[in-house]
Amino acid sequence: SQQGEEDPQALSIQEGENATMNCSYKTSINNLQWYRQNSGRGLVHLILIRSNEREKHSGRLRVTLDTSKKSSSLLITASRAADTASYFCAMERNNDMRFGAGTRLTVKP
Amino acid sequence: DVKVTQSSRYLVKRTGEKVFLECVQDMDHENMFWYRQDPGLGLRLIYFSYDVKMKEKGDIPEGYSVSREKKERFSLILESASTNQTSMYLCASSLAGYYGYTFGSGTRLTVV
Repeated sequence: SQQGEEDPQALSIQEGENATMNCSYKTSINNLQWYRQNSGRGLVHLILIRSNEREKHSGRLRVTLDTSKKSSSLLITASRAADTASYFCAMERNNDMRFGAGTRLTVKP
Repeated sequence: DVKVTQSSRYLVKRTGEKVFLECVQDMDHENMFWYRQDPGLGLRLIYFSYDVKMKEKGDIPEGYSVSREKKERFSLILESASTNQTSMYLCASSLAGYYGYTFGSGTRLTVV
């Protein structure tokens, strides 16, 4: 299994602040993805970064990937109360994917 | 938009029952997956399928089986439900290649 580990497990910030979540994994990957899950619902795909990329942006999201350290980070800038959710990294290799345990982000208004 | 539909949002079954969880996707995706999600354990892969009538075991296949008779439908079967199978079950699909997954809304199964 190539499940990732996410850090921190929980994060609480004020609206307007930036939120950074980290993910580490153990084996080589084709790409790494980040997903968001609102309470009790399915996961929603946020962003994908390929193994030959180092940084990617999408709106207020910034993802970095360091394959030498087998780690990735997700930065959410100017957070909003609506960003409150759990965030998961997922490592894809050979067409199947394994997930980390997630970071629970709470953004206080 | 791709839609992945899971047949039930909440389900309560008795120990020993045979349980069918259905998942249907409407965008001709080749790949389909079943995960279970438990607090503190994240998502764990049960089974996946790359094509009709094909299936592969994930990390925790024991006590489960799957069926993919049509491309759009991937069924998860609990042969004899047990209380330790109480969980949130998530179905996902994707195109072949390096793309993101589309998830269903999940089925919260309680086995009593």
